[in-house]
Amino acid sequence: AQTVTQSQPEMSVQEAETVTLSCTYDTSENNYYLFWYKQPPSRQMILVIRQEAYKQQNATENRFSVNFQKAAKSFSLKISDSQLGDTAMYFCAFMKPYSGGGADGLTFGKGTHLIIQP
Amino acid sequence: DTGVSQDPRHKITKRGQNVTFRCDPISEHNRLYWYRQTLGQGPEFLTYFQNEAQLEKSRLLSDRFSAERPKGSFSTLEIQRTEQGDSAMYLCASSLAPLAERGDTQYFGPGTRLTVL
Repeated sequence: AQTVTQSQPEMSVQEAETVTLSCTYDTSENNYYLFWYKQPPSRQMILVIRQEAYKQQNATENRFSVNFQKAAKSFSLKISDSQLGDTAMYFCAFMKPYSGGGADGLTFGKGTHLIIQP
Repeated sequence: DTGVSQDPRHKITKRGQNVTFRCDPISEHNRLYWYRQTLGQGPEFLTYFQNEAQLEKSRLLSDRFSAERPKGSFSTLEIQRTEQGDSAMYLCASSLAPLAERGDTQYFGPGTRLTVL
């Protein structure tokens, strides 16, 4: 079974700073998918960024980028020029490849509560 | 708004009662997922539909839980004989992808918060 570990329960930075959230995972699969989801207070979970394991290039989405280290099974999220609206729970998630039996959903970590201070 | 909707948003019930939640996915999304999220934890996968077919069920989904997706549109999740341990946020997500495609972007609803007294 896959496991996802987020070792930082909470982080706090000043607005405009850069922050990196850590995520490690454990799997025996070679091809898989990794995601970062954001869950603002009392709001819906939304996708921040995704990475296919077969791609060596790290994914980027505007101020958000990842550092994907496949051998180390590490998938960290970097937020540049942090904004007050970035305050949220951030979840790292894993999805294994298709196995013929359909999907089995995302495996999430416990999350990191990111607070952006003005 | 054409996002994923869930009803009700909050449900308080007494132990032993049955409850049913509804999820309306984004129109034309063929995949629908149910997750459960307890306080301080990430969501845990419960079950998944590809159109009207329920293709996967987590071992977390005991025989007191049942989910349906008639006609491949909305879905319901029913919990029978609720227990205090069922108190959680129940999240629904949908996506558009063919059967063998993985890594689909899931769009989440606001969730239904269940409190079992």
